[in-house]
Amino acid sequence: SYVLTQAPSVSVAPGQTATIPCGGDKIGARSVHWYQQKPGQAPVSVVYDDHKRPSGIPERFSGSNSGDTATLTISRVEAGDEADYYCQVWVGSSDPLYVFGSGTKLTVL
Amino acid sequence: EEQLVESGGGLVKPGGSLRLSCVASGFIFSKPWMSWVRQAPGKGLEWVGRIQSRADGGATDFAPPVKGRFAISRDDLRSTLYLEMNSLKTEDTGVYYCTTDRASANFPFWGQGTLVTVSS
Repeated sequence: SYVLTQAPSVSVAPGQTATIPCGGDKIGARSVHWYQQKPGQAPVSVVYDDHKRPSGIPERFSGSNSGDTATLTISRVEAGDEADYYCQVWVGSSDPLYVFGSGTKLTVL
Repeated sequence: EEQLVESGGGLVKPGGSLRLSCVASGFIFSKPWMSWVRQAPGKGLEWVGRIQSRADGGATDFAPPVKGRFAISRDDLRSTLYLEMNSLKTEDTGVYYCTTDRASANFPFWGQGTLVTVSS
């Protein structure tokens, strides 16, 4: 089955830029989606189709995807951005059809 | 405003059964595909299964760990999605989320989840 690899944690100071990578074999050929999950809450879509933002998501959230790594970038990080972030792709050709990364805990120092 | 509200979670013994419901509002429920995603305590997200819209055929697909034990159905008149879980195992414990499914892409909108605990 297809595997997405995420670092367990990333730390950044307020106002700085956080980059959260998601690795996968030729992931650049797939559409990557990102979710934010705060403690005790349901996940929220923050980026879809590599770089698009759902309505209501700040422009500070952006995404890119190339080669074997997709990246979620959060500019001008705020305390309220502290959360777990998951990447996800649709595989389609094997089980399971949808795969999530293991998640990255973003800590705002 | 789109809303998904899950219910039906609880404590069940290994080998038992449970049916989860998800009531939708704020959008035309019959249109999107729908999925269930679960999260074991302290763990990451895991896709469980999906159902196509009736217009696209209504077929279901499941992740290997639940294939043959779980079933998904939808009642478009009641705007309700169901997850029927049988032969439950301790590893099925977790929060189960109902999500919209952008047809083989991503999950735009999520419910708040319902907790299922499988324990003797």
